Amino acid sequence: EDKVVQSPLSLVVHEGDTVTLNCSYEVTNFRSLLWYKQEKKAPTFLFMLTSSGIEKKSGRLSSILDKKELFSILNITATQTGDSAVYLCAGAPGSARQLTFGSGTQLTVLP
Amino acid sequence: GAVVSQHPSWVICKSGTSVKIECRSLDFQATTMFWYRQFPKQSLMLMATSNEGSKATYEQGVEKDKFLINHASLTLSTLTVTSAHPEDSSFYICSASNRGGYNEQFFGPGTRLTVL
Repeated sequence: EDKVVQSPLSLVVHEGDTVTLNCSYEVTNFRSLLWYKQEKKAPTFLFMLTSSGIEKKSGRLSSILDKKELFSILNITATQTGDSAVYLCAGAPGSARQLTFGSGTQLTVLP
Repeated sequence: GAVVSQHPSWVICKSGTSVKIECRSLDFQATTMFWYRQFPKQSLMLMATSNEGSKATYEQGVEKDKFLINHASLTLSTLTVTSAHPEDSSFYICSASNRGGYNEQFFGPGTRLTVL
């Protein structure tokens, strides 16, 4: 059975701090790892990672995948209160399109 | 691009009634649509995968007779919760995958169902 584990489950930081969110996966016939941000409603797409070692960046957010260690991290630098959300990672197999989601990391950024 | 809508955004119904939720891909053709369920403070749980023109594939533990899924066109899938009970109250989210994006899924805004 495919499994995605995120840590920590929750994190409270102050504005300006840098955070690292972790995601480990066991996905049959793995193809890609996706990161989403979920505020009050449905998740919004952040990154899709397919290759090891290639960092993807979007503003203050960046992510990287290690296919040898079956691991990905999401970094957020200079955090802002608007970054407060649940961050979800999901593993995608190559043979089908179903995503297996982790339980999420609840990030709270205090002013 | 890649916008997915859901209707209604929230619904309150009485126990025993049926509720239909629509999921539409507005600017692309979605060969595959997914239905998820999310309880408070929990992650998304895949309920079923539907491909246009064929029967949905349900995840283990999801009652297909209770959660009827129809994917009649490349832009519309519906989820009908039949004979709803309070334990069916949840946040239902659909996502759609287009032909080009193999694994990238675009999520709808979700539907909050409350069964009294």
